Formats: sequence, C-alpha cells, structure tokens
Amino acid sequence: NAGVTQTPKFRVLKTGQSMTLLCAQDMNHEYMYWYRQDPGMGLRLIHYSVGEGTTAKGEVPDGYNVSRLKKQNFLLGLESAAPSQTSVYFCASSPLLAGAQEQFFGPGTRLTVL
Amino acid sequence: DAKTTQPTSMDCAEGRAANLPCNHSTISGNEYVYWYRQIHSQGPQYIIHGLKNNETNEMASLIITEDRKSSTLILPHATLRDTAVYYCIVPDAGNMLTFGGGTRLMVKP
Repeated sequence: NAGVTQTPKFRVLKTGQSMTLLCAQDMNHEYMYWYRQDPGMGLRLIHYSVGEGTTAKGEVPDGYNVSRLKKQNFLLGLESAAPSQTSVYFCASSPLLAGAQEQFFGPGTRLTVL
Repeated sequence: DAKTTQPTSMDCAEGRAANLPCNHSTISGNEYVYWYRQIHSQGPQYIIHGLKNNETNEMASLIITEDRKSSTLILPHATLRDTAVYYCIVPDAGNMLTFGGGTRLMVKP
C-alpha cells in the first residue's frame, strides 16, 4: 500500500495564478483532510470530507476550494494564489471509527507564492 | 482554544527514556488523548492514543493519570531518530485534531 500520496511535492506560483493539489489514499478511508503548516507553527485544518461527494470547512478555509468526487481522492484548489498562501500543505485520511481519530498523513506539498 | 498544554522543548540522552508530559485538565469523560509526532519536514505520524487505561505499542507507552487531567508519553529507549516535535491532542467535538505548538524533543548523543 502506498498510503497517502500528494502531488506535486513542490510548486512555485506567481500571485494570481491558480493550481490544484491532489491527494490520493489507497486505504479505503472515509475521512480526508487538508491542512496547512506555516514555519514554526502547528498544522491548521483547511477543509475536510467525511465521504465521497461531501466537504466541509475547517479552521482556515478562505481562499481554498475542495472536491471529493471519488472516495480515494481529495483535491485542494487555489483559485487566485496569494503570498499568504505560501506554506506546506498536508493531506491526511482516517477510517470511520467511532471514538477514534488516527489520521494518516501524506508527505506534504511545499508551495511558494511569489 | 487549545485543550492541551505541553512544554515547548525537552532534551533527552540517547538510550534513555524520554518522558513527555501533557496537561489536559478540561478533558471530558469520553474524550481520547492522542499523540502524534512530526519529524523535520515530514507529515505527522500517529503514535498512540488512550482513554482511561495506560496503553503500550511498539513505539511508545501512554500513561494517563487517574483523574485524566494529564498524561505522559514515554519513549523507552530514545534514539537520534526520535528527535521530532511531539503533539498531544484531544480532538474537538467534531473529532477534529487541533495541532498546537507541541514539544520539540531533542535526543542527544
């Protein structure tokens, strides 16, 4: 099993450009998440999904959109990138288990917006 | 607001036990305590979780006080590869994880 994979690993954008980050998991997990991590900080939840076709806002959703058209994929979109969105983006997934919250994380995407 | 408080940093000698404390004085009866760690530049890694009883797995042990207001993560024989930021987390009502600052553990030779 590959676990959670993220594409791309690195990206540099100019202000105003758009891009999509892809997260894929092969563990048949129901839940998927997108976080961002700024230097020296903890992770902050952007959006999450509790199943195919459903998404919800997290702590810092502004400037991002997401889609979960297939159970195994969770896409994060930046419509008009801003320098404040320079960060490391982590995707995670977790199974649907009552009372438990073990999340499996991908390796991250390092995004720089100039 | 963070539900947990942890020391900002700790040092540990290689081969010794690393004991990482966490306070969660407002934890409710059905809330779990989770521990994750993040090695430099990598995605966080799940370590262990517990509710009331002490737990042990191949990575670590989790000791939870009887009143559940604090816990300690124990790495029994720390190695240089255990140098990382360790996060103690009590998920919120929606079962979402909130990553605070964590404890930066430095294992020294």
